[in-house]
Amino acid sequence: KNQVEQSPQSLIILEGKNCTLQCNYTVSPFSNLRWYKQDTGRGPVSLTIMTFSENTKSNGRYTATLDADTKQSSLHITASQLSDSASYICVVSSEVGFQKLVFGTGTRLLVSP
Amino acid sequence: DTEVTQTPKHLVMGMTNKKSLKCEQHMGHRAMYWYKQKAKKPPELMFVYSYEKLSINESVPSRFSPECPNSSLLNLHLHALQPEDSALYLCASSHAPTANTEAFFGQGTRLTVV
Repeated sequence: KNQVEQSPQSLIILEGKNCTLQCNYTVSPFSNLRWYKQDTGRGPVSLTIMTFSENTKSNGRYTATLDADTKQSSLHITASQLSDSASYICVVSSEVGFQKLVFGTGTRLLVSP
Repeated sequence: DTEVTQTPKHLVMGMTNKKSLKCEQHMGHRAMYWYKQKAKKPPELMFVYSYEKLSINESVPSRFSPECPNSSLLNLHLHALQPEDSALYLCASSHAPTANTEAFFGQGTRLTVV
């Protein structure tokens, strides 16, 4: 069964600190892995997209890594800001004749002043 | 313009009402999607339109009726909904329906069925 698991479920950090979110997946066939940020009651916003051959990708203070052998990904947030408070969703895209997105349940991050 | 615009942002409707959700994009994308998201859960795919034709219906009840009038617009017609249909409805689009294209999401419509 295609699955994307994320940890931790929730996280509280102090403003200015760094954090790392984890994602494990069992999705086949694999096309790419995405990290989205979703504010409560809003649509997800893409942070990074990585294909099988990419190990790391950065977008400002966000850096994602991908280990296709172990089927693990991480999202590292540097120098956190209050506006980083949101859910971070790991999504694996699978090609099954159309784009099938398999969503993780997300990590809810709260950045505290 | 990398926006997917959804209207209305909020909608409250009775179980006997008929309403429609609208989604619009002007990025030239030829694939459009409807997702349903319950609180603290990941989005669930409902429908996929590819080149204005319905290609995927993920066993969605007939009280939800999608429509794609042209390549920029996607509607979701609602009729005789149940309170458990209350959720955030997300529209997304991508350049093509293939897995290697990025999906852009709208802000969603928060639907409450009373």
